[in-house]
Amino acid sequence: KQEVTQIPAALSVPEGENLVLNCSFTDSAIYNLQWFRQDPGKGLTSLLLIQSSQREQTSGRLNASLDKSSGRSTLYIAASQPGDSATYLCAVTADSWGKLQFGAGTQVVVTP
Amino acid sequence: DGGITQSPKYLFRKEGQNVTLSCEQNLNHDAMYWYRQDPGQGLRLIYYSQIVNDFQKGDIAEGYSVSREKKESFPLTVTSAQKNPTAFYLCASSTEQDPWYEQYFGPGTRLTVT
Repeated sequence: KQEVTQIPAALSVPEGENLVLNCSFTDSAIYNLQWFRQDPGKGLTSLLLIQSSQREQTSGRLNASLDKSSGRSTLYIAASQPGDSATYLCAVTADSWGKLQFGAGTQVVVTP
Repeated sequence: DGGITQSPKYLFRKEGQNVTLSCEQNLNHDAMYWYRQDPGQGLRLIYYSQIVNDFQKGDIAEGYSVSREKKESFPLTVTSAQKNPTAFYLCASSTEQDPWYEQYFGPGTRLTVT
């Protein structure tokens, strides 16, 4: 069974520092991997989706890499801002039904 | 505006009562999903549906039921058989079109059962 792990569970950085969030998964046979942002009490906002054939995706200050063979993805957020404070979740699609398997998330606090 | 709506935002029920959570999407997506989120945990899949009048159990379907009579609607009923129903419930939808199976989420319903 596919398992998704995110380490660390929580992270606090000063404003301006780069953020590095890690996601690992046990089965490399995935269709894609998504990174989401969740603010307290809110739904999920999709940040980036990486197809299994891709190595990375970029959107503004965000960059996500995917190494299927080692079962890892990393989300980089450049020049962090207090508005980046949120929980970041990664999830993999491991079957043709499109079902997502989620990690528990990394809670990020960016201090001014 | 295209998107997913969930109602109500907050729901309070007494133990022993069934309750139905609404999920509507106007994205013309075929697939819809229900997830449950508990504090400090990731999301777990309850039910999913690929097409109208068809749905499949997810990882934690016991105590829940769904219907899919219309493409845009996928209501979830939390029955009295669900042992720990208090949680945050999230609905999502996706399409087989590129980018393949990117999921979009609604704002969620927080259910409290006392």
